[in-house]
Amino acid sequence: EIVLTQSPGTLSLSPGERATLSCRASQSVSSSHLAWYQQKPGQAPRLLIYGASNRATGIPDRFSGSGSGTDFTLTISRLEPEDFAVYYCQQYGSSPPINFGQGTRLEIK
Amino acid sequence: EVQLVESGGGLVQPGGSLRLSCAASEFILGTFGMNWVRQAPGKGLEWVSYISGSGGTIYYADSVKGRFTISRDNAKNSLYLQMNSLRAEDTAVYYCARDFYNRIDSWGQGTLVTVSS
Repeated sequence: EIVLTQSPGTLSLSPGERATLSCRASQSVSSSHLAWYQQKPGQAPRLLIYGASNRATGIPDRFSGSGSGTDFTLTISRLEPEDFAVYYCQQYGSSPPINFGQGTRLEIK
Repeated sequence: EVQLVESGGGLVQPGGSLRLSCAASEFILGTFGMNWVRQAPGKGLEWVSYISGSGGTIYYADSVKGRFTISRDNAKNSLYLQMNSLRAEDTAVYYCARDFYNRIDSWGQGTLVTVSS
């Protein structure tokens, strides 16, 4: 089973700053099988990035994804107040077919 | 716009059973694989189960294997999760989630299951 480890656990930044969130896999992951989600309190998760670097429909271009192999990154270029949330990476595999990282909480400094 | 609406959550005693439903609209359920994903209070996301569009392929997380059963009725555009032998650690919000080419592109609003005596 591939384990996804996200870091940091909590990231404290101010609006306008750049956020860099990391997702490290215990084994190599196909880039096409790596996605990122945003979750705000009381809401369902929302797809942000799929295929490691493709923005989902309606996602602002300040969100970008990169990486390959075992190291993937979600970058938010200039934080807006609505970006403060919890972010999860997720990969599709074989057993189990889906697993998530433990999440990174992005909070206002 | 794609809509997924879960129902059937509630309070149940340990060892009890519950059946969750997910009603899909604005798309043909039978053309998509579907998942159940849960989130315990204050915790992260945990994938629970997957069923292919035809229902011919099914997977379960080890934590629910043998206790939960996923099914679908494409004629009714509905997805189900039968949960038996429930434990306190099954307490969570359960999300119905649409599978689309290696990503989950749509989520329901979730239904809360509380297992407690």
